[in-house]
Amino acid sequence: GAVVSQHPSRVICKSGTSVKIECRSLDFQATTMFWYRQFPKQSLMLMATSNEGSKATYEQGVEKDKFLINHASLTLSTLTVTSAHPEDSSFYICSARTLSGGALDTQYFGPGTRLTVL
Amino acid sequence: GDSVTQMEGPVTLSEEAFLTINCTYTATGYPSLFWYVQYPGEGLQLLLKATKADDKGSNKGFEATYRKETTSFHLEKGSVQVSDSAVYFCALTGTNAGKSTFGDGTTLTVKP
Repeated sequence: GAVVSQHPSRVICKSGTSVKIECRSLDFQATTMFWYRQFPKQSLMLMATSNEGSKATYEQGVEKDKFLINHASLTLSTLTVTSAHPEDSSFYICSARTLSGGALDTQYFGPGTRLTVL
Repeated sequence: GDSVTQMEGPVTLSEEAFLTINCTYTATGYPSLFWYVQYPGEGLQLLLKATKADDKGSNKGFEATYRKETTSFHLEKGSVQVSDSAVYFCALTGTNAGKSTFGDGTTLTVKP
């Protein structure tokens, strides 16, 4: 149980285009999803917290107009990288917290999306 | 704010050797503590967790005990295998809106 999927797993795009990444909780409902970015050989950096039915909360230094987050339902959150540039190339990982869980419950992670901007 | 400090890597061991990866934390309140494992090109998988002081999390031969007095959550395994080669992350989820804080990760390589 508690499976989180991401799509696509890998995407290559041209500079200036927009890319959408989907994060789905497959067998549970998640009121809260998190989006992380991971650079090679580094730890995860929290970008934003996505709450179903409300606006996402972005971490300091993360451009909300560049990284658009939509939490449309209890099982789906999307991250859109707008006007992508090579410096946006990274590994993006989402996670979801179960609906019945409290604030300290386990997050379940998706497999990640490798974005390469040419 | 919350922080997690992990033993620096990389760590290279021979098969069947004993593993310890140190992790210490600072946090307000009573966080939950986690160890995650990441294989190349993949996301994070929960390895084990502990939610209160003196709890011991265990899974697949790995163990870690929540030590509030030393603010530590060291990961141990008595006999590592080649398949344990991966990056290990220590993390906490605190009372700050339930956000998680991760350590920098420790790369483990086990040689046959």
